[in-house]
Parts: sequence; structure tokens; C-alpha cells
Amino acid sequence: AAGVIQSPRHLIKEKRETATLKCYPIPRHDTVYWYQQGPGQDPQFLISFYEKMQSDKGSIPDRFSAQQFSDYHSELNMSSLELGDSALYFCASSPGPNEKLFFGSGTQLSVL
Amino acid sequence: DQQVKQNSPSLSVQEGRISILNCDYTNSMFDYFLWYKKYPAEGPTFLISISSIKDKNEDGRFTVFLNKSAKHLSLHIVPSQPGDSAVYFCALYFGNEKLTFGTGTRLTIIP
Repeated sequence: AAGVIQSPRHLIKEKRETATLKCYPIPRHDTVYWYQQGPGQDPQFLISFYEKMQSDKGSIPDRFSAQQFSDYHSELNMSSLELGDSALYFCASSPGPNEKLFFGSGTQLSVL
Repeated sequence: DQQVKQNSPSLSVQEGRISILNCDYTNSMFDYFLWYKKYPAEGPTFLISISSIKDKNEDGRFTVFLNKSAKHLSLHIVPSQPGDSAVYFCALYFGNEKLTFGTGTRLTIIP
């Protein structure tokens, strides 16, 4: 069965650079979530989209933005990267709000 | 302010015995409860869930118990197997809001 696909798996950037993470949800899932997990921490909710509209916003810095496109894939854009942005970024999709989430394998971002 | 806590960061259990993972929450409005399992360098994988109208849900070796008055959720795995070694997160929904994760418990099954 198709799963949530994230790219790239690993990304190394320097401070003040920009990064774009991509997420392809499971087919027919219209809801996408982004989570950030720092070392030894629980996943922290960043932002979610339902039917291409932002549905909820968590602890996402102003330097980050995200959108969901017409084909339901989502991109997380991160600018002016800081060392503290180094983390595992997960995307998840669900068939609708308040349903169980299916997670991708994550993108490991390292900011040097 | 951590709304969902898993007070045991780690747990070691002998293979074949029962593993019990606990989760406490503060907001009584949470109404849908899930457990996720996570291996290193992989995304969390859904295990089992329970809604607030039930107090127990069973799926094979996994059973989730919900005690709403105590705001306590637990996951029982029996018998425990080496492949169960992973980090386990409880995750809670409040209405249509975002899924809130607990702090995680690293379970190690000793052969």
C-alpha cells in the first residue's frame, strides 16, 4: 500500500540558508500535517492543511511557511535557518480531520 | 506546559512478559486517544486507538485502557517480543484540533 513520501530523507544546510521539504500524502488523503522532532523530544506540531487550506497552526516560526498544492502534496519552506532548526521533520496525512495519522519517514535536517 | 505526559522515559521488560506503558493527560476535553510506535530514523506508526466512550480496546497482543476520571491511558503488550523494542508515544485529539503527542517511552525487550 502507498505510504506518505517525504523528500529529501537527509538535508544539510548552513546557517541563514533556505530549505524546502516536500511531502506526498497517501492518495485520497486530503489532510496533511507537519511535525518537528528535536533530539530526545516528542514530535511538536507545526502546521496542518485540509483541502489545500491551512487548518491549524502550532509552534511554527515566522521564518517557516508551508502550503498544500492542488495535487495535495505539501511543501515546508524554511528560511534564515538557525542551528536550532536541526531536527527530524515529519509529514503525516489522514483521510480527514480527527482521523489517525499516517506518518512519512521524515526528513533529517542538519544546520551547520 | 506539557498537556500529555509519559512519566517513564524508558522501560525494560523480559521477552514473553507483559509491557505496560502509561500516559497521563491534563485536559479532560481530549476525546480520541492513540498509541504510536517509532523506530529510529522512521516515522511513527499507528498501533491502536480508543475513543472516550470506551474504556478498553484490544487488537491482538495490544490492549489500550482508558481511565477518564484519572485522565490516564495505558498500553499493554502481551507477550512482549524483541520486535516491540521501540519508542512509544501516546497521542491525543481534542475535537478537530491537532494531534498532541506525549513525551515518549523507550521500551526495550530483553531476550
